[in-house]
Amino acid sequence: GQQVMQIPQYQHVQEGEDFTTYCNSSTTLSNIQWYKQRPGGHPVFLIQLVKSGEVKKQKRLTFQFGEAKKNSSLHITATQTTDVGTYFCAGSFSGGYNKLIFGAGTRLAVHP
Amino acid sequence: NAGVTQTPKFRVLKTGQSMTLLCAQDMNHEYMYWYRQDPGMGLRLIHYSVGEGTTAKGEVPDGYNVSRLKKQNFLLGLESAAPSQTSVYFCASAQGTEAFFGQGTRLTVV
Repeated sequence: GQQVMQIPQYQHVQEGEDFTTYCNSSTTLSNIQWYKQRPGGHPVFLIQLVKSGEVKKQKRLTFQFGEAKKNSSLHITATQTTDVGTYFCAGSFSGGYNKLIFGAGTRLAVHP
Repeated sequence: NAGVTQTPKFRVLKTGQSMTLLCAQDMNHEYMYWYRQDPGMGLRLIHYSVGEGTTAKGEVPDGYNVSRLKKQNFLLGLESAAPSQTSVYFCASAQGTEAFFGQGTRLTVV
């Protein structure tokens, strides 16, 4: 079936350390999106990657889409307490009529 | 600028009761989704719609029904609620790229 696997499930870091979360699909994705959910909130869109090997940056956040369009990563440099939350990847599959499948998410805790 | 509005925000049901969750969007989006969120399991797609009058099953459709009679509304129904349906339900809408989420409905089935 169409599944998106995401690791790790939890990550605890000291403020200033880097953080990375990874997503993987067994089948080719047409695109992948990343969302952030703050505790008690709803998911908020961060970015979409469409092209093979694509890399996008948003300030301290770097997003990558694998060459085979089956994996993706989000890297945060020098984490801050404002980065706390759960990060989700969400994949759309070819022919999936915009069916958006989410990974299980990575919960990030940042200790000051 | 309402965006995506979910009704109700909280609800407690007894096992076997029925209810309908309403999602309304004012962005004229074609695509709408219903997800459930459980601890450690992320967001699981229940049903989705690619346009008015169309619906399709997601990852976990059993025990739920949906309707999209109007483009702006996507209804999620529970015909006979079970404790396993205790969850936070999120509705989302999209027009090709970014999905916009509602604030969520916290449902408890006792």
